Parts: sequence; C-alpha cells; structure tokens
Amino acid sequence: NAGVMQNPRHLVRRRGQEARLRCSPMKGHSHVYWYRQLPEEGLKFMVYLQKENIIDESGMPKERFSAEFPKEGPSILRIQQVVRGDSAAYFCASSPLALGGGDEQFFGPGTRLTVL
Amino acid sequence: SQQGEEDPQALSIQEGENATMNCSYKTSINNLQWYRQNSGRGLVHLILIRSNEREKHSGRLRVTLDTSKKSSSLLITASRAADTASYFCATVITGGGNKLTFGTGTQLKVEL
Repeated sequence: NAGVMQNPRHLVRRRGQEARLRCSPMKGHSHVYWYRQLPEEGLKFMVYLQKENIIDESGMPKERFSAEFPKEGPSILRIQQVVRGDSAAYFCASSPLALGGGDEQFFGPGTRLTVL
Repeated sequence: SQQGEEDPQALSIQEGENATMNCSYKTSINNLQWYRQNSGRGLVHLILIRSNEREKHSGRLRVTLDTSKKSSSLLITASRAADTASYFCATVITGGGNKLTFGTGTQLKVEL
C-alpha cells in the first residue's frame, strides 16, 4: 500500500511565478490536509479537504493561495505570484474516514519550495 | 501563539539513556499525538493518546497526558542513535475539527 505521495519534492520558482504542489492520499483515504513548515519551526495547518469540498481553510492566507481536491486526481495546492516568504516545506497528510475525534494522519515526504 | 510548546527545545543524550520530552497546550483537546521528523523528511506518527487516557505505551515509547495541567510527556527508553530526530506534539482541539495543531518541537540527538 503506497503511502502519501507528493510531487515535486523540490520546486524552485522566481518571484511572481506560480507554484503547483500535488498530493495523492493513501489508498482508501478521503481526507487531505495541507501544512506548511518554515525553517526551524513546527508545522502550521493550512487547509482540510474532502473530495470536491473544502472543509476548513482557516489556515490559508487570504490571497494568492488556493487548494482543491477534485473527484478524480490528486489534491493541488496552488500559490500564485509567489514571494520569498512562501519559501517553506509544504506537507500533505491524509486520513481515512474521520470518526469525529481526529485520527492519526499519514504524512507525505513534503515539497520544498524555494522562491528566488 | 502556538497551541503546543515543547520543552526542551534541544536534547543531547548518550545511546542507552532515556529521553523525556514535554509538551504543554492551551485549550481543551480531543486527543494529543506525537510525531517524529527526521531531518528533511516527512513526519511519522508515533502514538495517539485520547483526552480520557492518562498513559499509553508503544514499544520503547511511553506517553502520559495530564489534562488538568494541559501537558503531556514522551519518554523514549534505551535510546538509539536512530532515534535522532525532531519530535513534535500535535493536538486535535475540541470543536476544532480534524486539523492538527503542532508544537514547536524538540530536537533529540542520540550520540554513540
């Protein structure tokens, strides 16, 4: 059973370009979470999605950031007009059907975004 | 501010010794989880303890939870060099949905 897959593993963008980060959850998992980790810090929640639905986007910056989890295909985290402050590691996690109390999340290897 | 604050920030021990890391949080929780992160890698789930539990064991890991003090501890017994990593506590806040709120982490170094 393959784990959570993320690609690319490393992404370099110039200021003003767009970054697209992809996440394929574990087989059978219908919940996807995106987290951002700045250097030497813990992870910060960004967004929680189920298929075709954004459940909680309370951690998403108001502008330039968007996320989707379509019926078919991976979840996408999209950052428009990147700035240097967007440089970070972006982790995706997935979990099976939630029982309401929050369960273990399975993390992908992360995408390290560098903005030049 | 962070929901979870971890103490110490960094810990260096000799192989075979025990390592204890502490985590404090601010609000009511459904559960608290501990994760390990090796340098430059993703997170690996270690153990989950629910708010109605006080202690849990998994192999060389022992986790305690004191909801009255809003704190948890992770004990790694008989440490090995391979335990060198960053350790994070993460809480699922009551009424906060399924998202994890992470602490600042403890960097553990186990020397031979």
